[in-house]
Amino acid sequence: GAGVSQSPSNKVTEKGKDVELRCDPISGHTALYWYRQSLGQGLEFLIYFQGNSAPDKSGLPSDRFSAERTGGSVSTLTIQRTQQEDSAVYLCASSLGGVYLRQDNTGELFFGEGSRLTVL
Amino acid sequence: DAKTTQPTSMDCAEGRAANLPCNHSTISGNEYVYWYRQIHSQGPQYIIHGLKNNETNEMASLIITEDRKSSTLILPHATLRDTAVYYCIVRVAFPGNTPLVFGKGTRLSVIA
Repeated sequence: GAGVSQSPSNKVTEKGKDVELRCDPISGHTALYWYRQSLGQGLEFLIYFQGNSAPDKSGLPSDRFSAERTGGSVSTLTIQRTQQEDSAVYLCASSLGGVYLRQDNTGELFFGEGSRLTVL
Repeated sequence: DAKTTQPTSMDCAEGRAANLPCNHSTISGNEYVYWYRQIHSQGPQYIIHGLKNNETNEMASLIITEDRKSSTLILPHATLRDTAVYYCIVRVAFPGNTPLVFGKGTRLSVIA
């Protein structure tokens, strides 16, 4: 499809295990974002990639969280030694990117459907 | 932290206009106002954005006060499918495409 694709859609894991969540952005989008949303809570920013620039990791809650973006396209969010409080929906988004907003680049973020992580 | 203040919840009768207010009294001259919504169990969806002029698209209208300290999102004819959490977000114009900072939003319930 033409939208942002995330996998898996659901993941159940045991406390202490590592998990990887994948995001395929829209083709041609240079900016990629990860958010998480705990049950009944708002969206929490995690990390942002823009082209070849160093990622903005300011939202990562601990050093157990990391993310990579290979070849400027697919991104993987890794959570090591998962804890129960990591249970949430992890949302990925992409946008055209670039530093200038114009009529043909409104800065709109396109979100995927999310990966629901449950840590037992 | 979010730079906006919105009511926690609102109700609207189906077919009526839904007017969702947002306060952003500390907005800077180079910051846009964006509106997104999140329908239950889905990712957020872009609605509209503006800098200082009123904007309209196929989904909604955005009215920004002259001093830019507040705005109103208008859904002209609300339907049951418009029931969602609506987020008002302030975001710098340059550099563009920076991450959105979501607040708690307004939960809009459209009632038949």
